[in-house]
Amino acid sequence: TAGITQAPTSQILAAGRSMTLRCTQDMRHNAMYWYRQDLGLGLRLIHYSNTAGTTGKGEVPDGYSVSRANTDDFPLTLASAVPSQTSVYFCASSEGQTTDTQYFGPGTRLTVL
Amino acid sequence: GQNIDQPTEMTATEGAIVQINCTYQTSGFNGLFWYQQHAGEAPTFLSYNVLDGLEEKGRFSSFLSRSKGYSYLLLKELQMKDSASYLCAVRDSNYQLIWGAGTKLIIKP
Repeated sequence: TAGITQAPTSQILAAGRSMTLRCTQDMRHNAMYWYRQDLGLGLRLIHYSNTAGTTGKGEVPDGYSVSRANTDDFPLTLASAVPSQTSVYFCASSEGQTTDTQYFGPGTRLTVL
Repeated sequence: GQNIDQPTEMTATEGAIVQINCTYQTSGFNGLFWYQQHAGEAPTFLSYNVLDGLEEKGRFSSFLSRSKGYSYLLLKELQMKDSASYLCAVRDSNYQLIWGAGTKLIIKP
């Protein structure tokens, strides 16, 4: 099985433009997460979804939005990108929220100029 | 605030043993995870501890002391492919993972 896929692999984006990072999982996991990873910092949670139809804010949600219309997909949208959003973005999923291991997609490397 | 501390970088020799420490201060505790991350790749799950003591899984072992807010990952019989970053993460009272910045492990022949 593919597990979790993310698209695109990398992107260069002009400041002020919008972009959607795609994430799809085929494990029928209930919970999904978006993290950003910056050099010298731990992974930081942007948004999460415990089940289809629900979403929640993580540690650094400003400038980002998410939706969870179905179990498999969890897109992350940057409405108006800024250079501080330059980062590597990882999508992850887990069977449940409270006790289960999170599994990660391959990541999207985003550069905002 | 919540804090996870790990050494930034460690160096070890192929075939040797290395211990990577992690100390944490979080609002609540619902388990501690170790992940491995090779450069340019996604983190992959290594181990999970929720009770005090040692969990062994092949060449890797992970230890937890909840009273001390302390964990370590022990890697034995080091191989060149073990060169990677090792991430410590604690699940807090809201069941969210709080991540350390990671320890970059360099293996020398």
